[in-house]
Amino acid sequence: EPEVTQTPSHQVTQMGQEVILRCVPISNHLYFYWYRQILGQKVEFLVSFYNNEISEKSEIFDDQFSVERPDGSNFTLKIRSTKLEDSAMYFCASSEVSQSFNYGYTFGSGTRLTVV
Amino acid sequence: AQSVSQHNHHVILSEAASLELGCNYSYGGTVNLFWYVQYPGQHLQLLLKYFSGDPLVKGIKGFEAEFIKSKFSFNLRKPSVQWSDTAEYFCAVRPINDYKLSFGAGTTVTVRA
Repeated sequence: EPEVTQTPSHQVTQMGQEVILRCVPISNHLYFYWYRQILGQKVEFLVSFYNNEISEKSEIFDDQFSVERPDGSNFTLKIRSTKLEDSAMYFCASSEVSQSFNYGYTFGSGTRLTVV
Repeated sequence: AQSVSQHNHHVILSEAASLELGCNYSYGGTVNLFWYVQYPGQHLQLLLKYFSGDPLVKGIKGFEAEFIKSKFSFNLRKPSVQWSDTAEYFCAVRPINDYKLSFGAGTTVTVRA
């Protein structure tokens, strides 16, 4: 079964440093997403991406965050200057486009980001 | 803004017991509904989903869920749990005119052998 692949599985970074989280969505999917889960809390939507642009973003997704599809296969999330509160599990997901508006999501295994 | 409520934060039960996890949502339009499971240290896995049709949907690992439109509910059930069902369970909802999933807070299920 096709998978969404995320790298690295765990990233430790110092506060103020930039991090890039990488994802390879399923090849025929056209919608891409980033979600995050702070330890002990619920999964929160960050951003959705379609046709090479952001289609929706949450309040969490401020100017420190950016997304990019640099080469047609990777989908990256960049955090420009990490803060302690950015420590979380970050999940990438992708979905296909469906004319019926009914579609599911495939999630990656996540990147655990620890900011120290 | 729409919300997804999961009634139980932590459920502890013995093997072979029956499990029911509640999920309610606040969106009034047509929605897609999902239950995900997250085993310790692992990623989100889809248990089952409801798009349309028969409101009783069957998923993997013996789980099923029932969509009751009038109650805005999508409760998850399993008649007889196993120790390996110990995990966190998330209900998620997507209005069909929206891109994003909204998740409930999750229910931690601990099955004692």
